[in-house]
Amino acid sequence: GQNIDQPTEMTATEGAIVQINCTYQTSGFNGLFWYQQHAGEAPTFLSYNVLDGLEEKGRFSSFLSRSKGYSYLLLKELQMKDSASYLCAVSSNDYKLSFGAGTTVTVRA
Amino acid sequence: TAGITQAPTSQILAAGRSMTLRCTQDMRHNAMYWYRQDLGLGLRLIHYSNTAGTTGKGEVPDGYSVSRANTDDFPLTLASAVPSQTSVYFCASSVSGDNTGELFFGEGSRLTVL
Repeated sequence: GQNIDQPTEMTATEGAIVQINCTYQTSGFNGLFWYQQHAGEAPTFLSYNVLDGLEEKGRFSSFLSRSKGYSYLLLKELQMKDSASYLCAVSSNDYKLSFGAGTTVTVRA
Repeated sequence: TAGITQAPTSQILAAGRSMTLRCTQDMRHNAMYWYRQDLGLGLRLIHYSNTAGTTGKGEVPDGYSVSRANTDDFPLTLASAVPSQTSVYFCASSVSGDNTGELFFGEGSRLTVL
């Protein structure tokens, strides 16, 4: 099975940078996803990493190190609308997808 | 574009009653999923279907059943609801069932079992 850990909560100031870490232990690895979920809404896809390194998409970047079982999501130039939960999810070799409990990010003015 | 539609949005149900949560997608995706989301536990997979006519058990299948008679519909049934099934239920779909592609989620169904 998988064990996925991410911080429960983070707070940052508008315009700042926040890094959300995710560590995982899995029986085989087939990719790591990040999803964003605003309160009361459905999760929406942010990124997918299957190879080591940094993937950048505008203000959001996602990093993966398979050897360390580690990923982070970097949110730059924070805006109030970035206040949400961020879910880390890992796909294992048996093609099962497991989600972490999520990190709630609060952006303050 | 509708994407994935779930119904009902919310429901209060007496323990012991049965309930079916409906899920329909218009993207012609092969795979569909049902998750429940509980505070502090994240999304947990209940059942999945990689293609029409097939279904499989996820992490927490007990007390739930599903069917996939066609590509578009994937209803979730609670035969005899219990309070521990109080949760927010999300239906999702993806192009394939290999969990390497993006999941598209419905807006969720909030179920309270009293």
